[in-house]
Amino acid sequence: GAVVSQHPSWVICKSGTSVKIECRSLDFQATTMFWYRQFPKQSLMLMATSNEGSKATYEQGVEKDKFLINHASLTLSTLTVTSAHPEDSSFYICSATHLGTNYGYTFGSGTRLTVV
Amino acid sequence: QQQVKQSPQSLIVQKGGISIINCAYENTAFDYFPWYQQFPGKGPALLIAIRPDVSEKKEGRFTISFNKSAKQFSLHIMDSQPGDSATYFCAAMLSGSRLTFGEGTQLTVNP
Repeated sequence: GAVVSQHPSWVICKSGTSVKIECRSLDFQATTMFWYRQFPKQSLMLMATSNEGSKATYEQGVEKDKFLINHASLTLSTLTVTSAHPEDSSFYICSATHLGTNYGYTFGSGTRLTVV
Repeated sequence: QQQVKQSPQSLIVQKGGISIINCAYENTAFDYFPWYQQFPGKGPALLIAIRPDVSEKKEGRFTISFNKSAKQFSLHIMDSQPGDSATYFCAAMLSGSRLTFGEGTQLTVNP
């Protein structure tokens, strides 16, 4: 089955530093990857959509300069939280679609970011 | 147009009972309706999904009922088990587009 690996599973960083989260599709080519943010007891909030080789499309209200997304290959997308602040602390989840499949969305296991 | 409304917010069921979670959507162009199961600290995992050309789909203890005219769909978990305790999200999608999630239902199955 389709597997999406997300790393790290948790990270603690100091305010003002940057953190990179990786999302890899292990056994399929992902033309599109999605990045979500989830607060406790809430639903997933789409942050941005990234297509391989092109710039990410950010949702309204999401700062593109703060949340840098790179999708350089069909198997890897990264989310970098720049100049992190405590309010950026959250659960970040990536999702990837299967090449040639309209309905295959596989989620990563998520990254718990805590900014202190 | 893009919203998916989910209820209840939380649900407590006894072991062996039936868990029912409901969702309603607005956009009649949606053509794929998945349900996801999420355990604490983990990403969502696809549980079961349905397309609007069928009214029901069953996989093991999980059944989706779909009412196209009412723009509603529901998840039924038969013989609920403590291991089913998780957060469940319904979602809807227009093919080639992104998923629109419901608000989530926290299910607790008591032993």
